[in-house]
Amino acid sequence: QVQVAQSGPEVKNPGASVRVSCTTSGYTFNSFNINWVRQAPGQGLEWMGWISTYNHNTKYPQKFQGRVTMTTQASISTAYLELRNLRTDDTAVYYCTRDRSYYGSVTKNAFEVWGPGTVVTVSS
Amino acid sequence: DIQMTQSPSSLSASVGDTVTITCRASETIFSYLNWYQKKPGRAPKLLIYGAVNLQSGVPARFSGSGSGTDFSLTINNLQPEDYATYYCQQTDSTPLTFGGGTKVEIK
Repeated sequence: QVQVAQSGPEVKNPGASVRVSCTTSGYTFNSFNINWVRQAPGQGLEWMGWISTYNHNTKYPQKFQGRVTMTTQASISTAYLELRNLRTDDTAVYYCTRDRSYYGSVTKNAFEVWGPGTVVTVSS
Repeated sequence: DIQMTQSPSSLSASVGDTVTITCRASETIFSYLNWYQKKPGRAPKLLIYGAVNLQSGVPARFSGSGSGTDFSLTINNLQPEDYATYYCQQTDSTPLTFGGGTKVEIK
């Protein structure tokens, strides 16, 4: 069956960078695209961006432009999220999630399969 | 950016009740509207996609309706496992945006 695992919790100082990994199994990695979503304590869900697993195109909200990079390594069915210049308000649970439709675009889709989340704490 | 406004922000209901949550988009999103269930400490779960389509494995007591700017999620015969926070999401255009959430609590 389809499974998604994420890397473990991280504690970072303000100004540092963090990289979260998302390893999938049970399906053809390149057939479904990946999104990243985060949830800060007591807050709602926030979309951080999308990466095409077959051509590596990305789409990031303006809020994260210049601070975020999403990549993939198809040989190990893994996607990565890197967030730089961390601030205390980046403290959140970070989720990777797979699109519902294969070979879809960034829009007109739904987030069908979710990883368990990675807690990132930014504190001095 | 398209703003998604959910109401109410919270509600109390009893087991067996019917609950309706509404979601309004700041401009038309056609039927590109999804609903998710979120429980503390767990990942979100897709319930409804394309405004009205029930995700595989989701109980039929969940249903979605609407198009354009106004949408709703209805839960019939509320069950104990349905107590959670529900989020709508538009995927018509980027940035993809979520509503603020509706917390369904036990009455």
